[in-house]
Amino acid sequence: QQQVKQSPQSLIVQKGGISIINCAYENTAFDYFPWYQQFPGKGPALLIAIRPDVSEKKEGRFTISFNKSAKQFSLHIMDSQPGDSATYFCAADKNAGGTSYGKLTFGQGTILTVHP
Amino acid sequence: DTAVSQTPKYLVTQMGNDKSIKCEQNLGHDTMYWYKQDSKKFLKIMFSYNNKELIINETVPNRFSPKSPDKAHLNLHINSLELGDSAVYFCASSLQGGTGELFFGEGSRLTVL
Repeated sequence: QQQVKQSPQSLIVQKGGISIINCAYENTAFDYFPWYQQFPGKGPALLIAIRPDVSEKKEGRFTISFNKSAKQFSLHIMDSQPGDSATYFCAADKNAGGTSYGKLTFGQGTILTVHP
Repeated sequence: DTAVSQTPKYLVTQMGNDKSIKCEQNLGHDTMYWYKQDSKKFLKIMFSYNNKELIINETVPNRFSPKSPDKAHLNLHINSLELGDSAVYFCASSLQGGTGELFFGEGSRLTVL
């Protein structure tokens, strides 16, 4: 099964708050879990990614938490800013960038709105 | 200098027509993709090419025909357009043996009337 399930569908947060988006996957062969950020009229752009050998990865205000046994991962945005308002997609792939030709399976997306 | 560029950005056409979308990347990547984003923003892979060779074809109707003249270009031709083809089509590229990051173009919004 190739599905990646993402929640919530939309999220409204006040400036300075914490935004949390969750994803769950089924295929245990997945070994690469990126988050993409998409602004209106633009293509998705990589925000942060994790591989299953670590349980957490932090880059600035963005943190991925990964739970291999539960097959879940989440994105935390600390000190959320109005400029973070965008659509966020989790995704999963196997052997991404390696010798096999992987493909990203995306979650359904979360529309984040950060109020000033 | 744009890394992945697609043309046209907007395309409005009648049902039954044939149209093409072009994509070029200047990143030196060897793998290119077409993704379709529907009205609910769901992103789904359609095709991928590696060094001009078709690698992934995700049960897309054969009205859709990709063509890669060289590893920097991947075009998408659609025959006999249907209403359900209305979507935003994204071209992307990645480096085999790299981090796995996909670099997306800005998309081509196709509207079929």
